[in-house]
Amino acid sequence: AQSVTQPDIHITVSEGASLELRCNYSYGATPYLFWYVQSPGQGLQLLLKYFSGDTLVQGIKGFEAEFKRSQSSFNLRKPSVHWSDAAEYFCAVGFGGSQGNLIFGKGTKLSVKP
Amino acid sequence: DVKVTQSSRYLVKRTGEKVFLECVQDMDHENMFWYRQDPGLGLRLIYFSYDVKMKEKGDIPEGYSVSREKKERFSLILESASTNQTSMYLCASSLWLDKGVSYNEQFFGPGTRLTVL
Repeated sequence: AQSVTQPDIHITVSEGASLELRCNYSYGATPYLFWYVQSPGQGLQLLLKYFSGDTLVQGIKGFEAEFKRSQSSFNLRKPSVHWSDAAEYFCAVGFGGSQGNLIFGKGTKLSVKP
Repeated sequence: DVKVTQSSRYLVKRTGEKVFLECVQDMDHENMFWYRQDPGLGLRLIYFSYDVKMKEKGDIPEGYSVSREKKERFSLILESASTNQTSMYLCASSLWLDKGVSYNEQFFGPGTRLTVL
């Protein structure tokens, strides 16, 4: 069955430190991959997406993600975290189909220490 | 700029009431979705619609129904609200895949936090 896993429920990093959020999926082909961010009390905002081509994709707010087919992973990274990055991050995977359904991971909550 | 709006940010209802949550998108998207979001459970799909008057059940449709009479509007209905339906409800929309644009990237509204007492 298709699934998406975000192994870390909560991560705390110091401001200025690097960040990596993990996402793994289970699927036989290359899916459509997304990272969304949700600030407290808000809806989800798209950070970046991968459909094909270069496996390192750049997004908004200085985020990037790398698709690794061999590991079925799409990890999100940022070289230097800012306090405003504190939020919840969701990995989402589209497995095709005209309705465009996405399966979301359970999310990783990021806290930033001053 | 793409926009998905939801009728209320916060809503308080009593057990047994009929509740309507409204969602409107101005992007001419075919697909619309309703999710509920609970701590530790992420987003779970309640219903989606890929065309006017069409609807499909998602993962947790029990206790909910939907209506899509116009392309831009998708309503979620709680026929008889219960306390276990207290949650954050998120609406989203996306283009059909075969239009070759944005594949199945979804655009989200700000959410409605519903409390059922």
